[in-house]
Order: sequence, then structure tokens, then C-alpha cells
Amino acid sequence: QSALTQPPSASGSPGQSVTISCTGTSSDVGGYNYVSWYQRHPGRAPKLMIYEVSQRPSGVPDRFSGSKSGNTASLTVSGLQAEDEADYYCSSYAGRNNLVFGGGTKLTVL
Amino acid sequence: DVQLLESGGGFIQPGGSLRLSCAASGFTFSTYAMSWVRQAPGKGLEWVSGISSSGISTYYADSVKDRFTISRDNSKNTLYLQMNSLRAEDTAVYFCAKDTRSSPRGVDYWGQGTLVTFSS
Repeated sequence: QSALTQPPSASGSPGQSVTISCTGTSSDVGGYNYVSWYQRHPGRAPKLMIYEVSQRPSGVPDRFSGSKSGNTASLTVSGLQAEDEADYYCSSYAGRNNLVFGGGTKLTVL
Repeated sequence: DVQLLESGGGFIQPGGSLRLSCAASGFTFSTYAMSWVRQAPGKGLEWVSGISSSGISTYYADSVKDRFTISRDNSKNTLYLQMNSLRAEDTAVYFCAKDTRSSPRGVDYWGQGTLVTFSS
């Protein structure tokens, strides 16, 4: 049950695109299409941004997209806006009804 | 709207016990698996435990196995986490989270969290 690996920080200017990676193993990210991404602003509950690798819940802007290649999943935020500045966490199903999360990435909008 | 409201957090001492509750509303509680996820100060999110929609099957992270017990009362739309043999490293904000399926696969809605703090 090792945590998924995310870069501690990422940044971009308004209007630019930024991609955050989430690396696991063949026992979690690589083995299942159950990768989710969450946005968390300080003091607020996490918000689901992407589920099942690339599905966007209703209400989430299409500037947010997800993908996966092998054992690494990615979240791309296009057309960065000030309100996108937050912590982002990935999670994956890890088999045997267990879930695993990443350490989080602090996204800064310059 | 889906709402999850945790309660029961507080100060803990080594070896002590605490019971967290999570009152759910806005969805058919008995249809979905539920999980507890925690975040220690300055750390990332950590999945702690999950329970199937029926409550028959329960699942735990190695870090809490044999110390924590998850349960649910579908008649009361409430999720619980009984925490025993508490350790300083259990200090964290504990979130209740709803899953997208009847068995844990990935959560979609979260509560605001309840703080469990180590007290010396």
C-alpha cells in the first residue's frame, strides 16, 4: 500500500496549460481504470475533478482532462485561471477493495 | 445535494479510543460503499478504511488494521469509525467519503472532516 508518487509542486501562468503526473505500479494505476483526481482548496473538502481516468463529473470545466499511460496517470489543466490554484491529489483502486492516494501537488498560478 | 457531516473528533492520548460518525444525506446511502480518508498535518491524503454498501464487507489500510473498525447503519444513513489503541501518528483530519460504486473503487463526495489531535 505505497502512496502514489506526485510532484510536490507545479506552476503556470494564466492561460497556459500544466500537467501533473501520478505514478503508481501495475497493481494500482496500471492495473485498473479507476484513477481519480481531486482539487482541494485550503480548509475545504476535496472536490472530484476526474474519475475513471478521464471522465469529468458534471459541473467540472472541460479545461480539466485526465489520461493514463502504463503506470502513470496525468491531469492536465488548460487555460489556467487564478481559481485553479490549489492542491491536487490523485487516487487509484489498488485491488482487493483498497484505495491508494498520491502525496499531492501544489499548483501555483503565477 | 450530497452532504456528509463528520463528528466525534477530539483530543486523543496514546492507547485511547475515539468513535467518529458521519451523517449522510442527499443520496441513497445503502447503495454506495463508503470510506474514511485522513490527512495528517503537512501530509497527503491516506485511505484508512472502506465498507461495502451492505456493510457486510470491510477493508483496512495496513496502518490501522486490527486497531480501527468501520461500520455503517443503513437505517440511520450513518457511517462510523471506531478507533482503538490510538497512536500519535493517528493525528489527522478524518474525512468521510462516498464511493461511486457498491464496493470501494473511488470516492466522489467528501465531508468537511473532523480533527483528531494527539494530546500529551
